[in-house]
Amino acid sequence: DVKVTQSSRYLVKRTGEKVFLECVQDMDHENMFWYRQDPGLGLRLIYFSYDVKMKEKGDIPEGYSVSREKKERFSLILESASTNQTSMYLCASSLGEDLNTGELFFGEGSRLTVL
Amino acid sequence: AQSVAQPEDQVNVAEGNPLTVKCTYSVSGNPYLFWYVQYPNRGLQFLLKYITGDNLVKGSYGFEAEFNKSQTSFHLKKPSALVSDSALYFCAVRDSGSARQLTFGSGTQLTVLP
Repeated sequence: DVKVTQSSRYLVKRTGEKVFLECVQDMDHENMFWYRQDPGLGLRLIYFSYDVKMKEKGDIPEGYSVSREKKERFSLILESASTNQTSMYLCASSLGEDLNTGELFFGEGSRLTVL
Repeated sequence: AQSVAQPEDQVNVAEGNPLTVKCTYSVSGNPYLFWYVQYPNRGLQFLLKYITGDNLVKGSYGFEAEFNKSQTSFHLKKPSALVSDSALYFCAVRDSGSARQLTFGSGTQLTVLP
């Protein structure tokens, strides 16, 4: 089974702090994604990556950056956390383009609260 | 551009009754369609997908969905609901010709009443 592991289930940070959310997958997937989930808004794509050191903006990249130095790891960075970034963050991965129907495998989520 | 609409925020159904959770989509090319389920404080779990072929797709936990190209719909169904089916359900679409990523709907909270 594919396993996508997010390092922190719950985080509480202060406004202005730098926040790192880490995600690791163990199935050698090429594609990795960061979504945020908010009530009534569903899942919105922040950033995704289809290869090491590659990244593409999703629908709501403002206030976020990402890093993918190794194939299995995809990090989401909040350079200066703000209260409107309080949310559930979901990491996901999928197969590379040749085999990819788009099916995503999700981690358990990281619930971030910014005070 | 690709988009998904889930017109119902909340669906309530009695245990043992059939359930339907609605989803409509918009893509330029051919759609790949997915349903995911989320239990409280958990990540999303894959239920089923439509890629090509038979319009009726069967998935996990007795769920099925029907792809209707003319109505651009992909409604999730189950013949007999269980209390344990209560969860948040998300429909998602990928335009097979132009997109790498999935676009999700806003979610439908299903409550099955005992």
